[in-house]
Amino acid sequence: GAGVSQSPSNKVTEKGKDVELRCDPISGHTALYWYRQSLGQGLEFLIYFQGNSAPDKSGLPSDRFSAERTGGSVSTLTIQRTQQEDSAVYLCASSPRDTPVTEAFFGQGTRLTVV
Amino acid sequence: DAKTTQPNSMESNEEEPVHLPCNHSTISGTDYIHWYRQLPSQGPEYVIHGLTSNVNNRMASLAIAEDRKSSTLILHRATLRDAAVYYCILRGDGGSTLGRLYFGRGTQLTVWP
Repeated sequence: GAGVSQSPSNKVTEKGKDVELRCDPISGHTALYWYRQSLGQGLEFLIYFQGNSAPDKSGLPSDRFSAERTGGSVSTLTIQRTQQEDSAVYLCASSPRDTPVTEAFFGQGTRLTVV
Repeated sequence: DAKTTQPNSMESNEEEPVHLPCNHSTISGTDYIHWYRQLPSQGPEYVIHGLTSNVNNRMASLAIAEDRKSSTLILHRATLRDAAVYYCILRGDGGSTLGRLYFGRGTQLTVWP
């Protein structure tokens, strides 16, 4: 596809269950970012991957959150033992490289609802 | 990381120009000013960026103050499709990345027909 693809688009899960959110970045983009956006709020940074470098995990809110990026392409964000406060839209973005002049391309997001 | 300040909301009539302000008084000399917008139920999309000189592209213009402590995104003729949240962010090369930058809550632009 031409853009960043995220799946599923919507996910409803029960409190305490684990969920996996997937991001397919634009082919060839070396930088990949995950953000979270709660209702009416701005974007909260979660994690950043750049090529083969160690990811920047400084934004992950707790150890229930983890992410991996396989083969420098697809990324999966995993939330274990989900809580109601995890309900939000999770956005993924990719960029050809990470410099001050490059733009990031965002996916449509995954809306997660924990009931 | 340097942060930005924007008004929470602004309104405009269709086909009128819109000037969206952003203050970034702690900007460093190597920080680029980027603007993104987020349409309802979509991810943010890039609008424009600049360093010191004013910039124009097919979507908008960016006017940067001489001291770089503020900037203004200009939509020359607002359309209903321009109704969105507009984010002003800074991107630097001092080890900061897009991921570590502060998006804030942006400015909600309402366009009236």
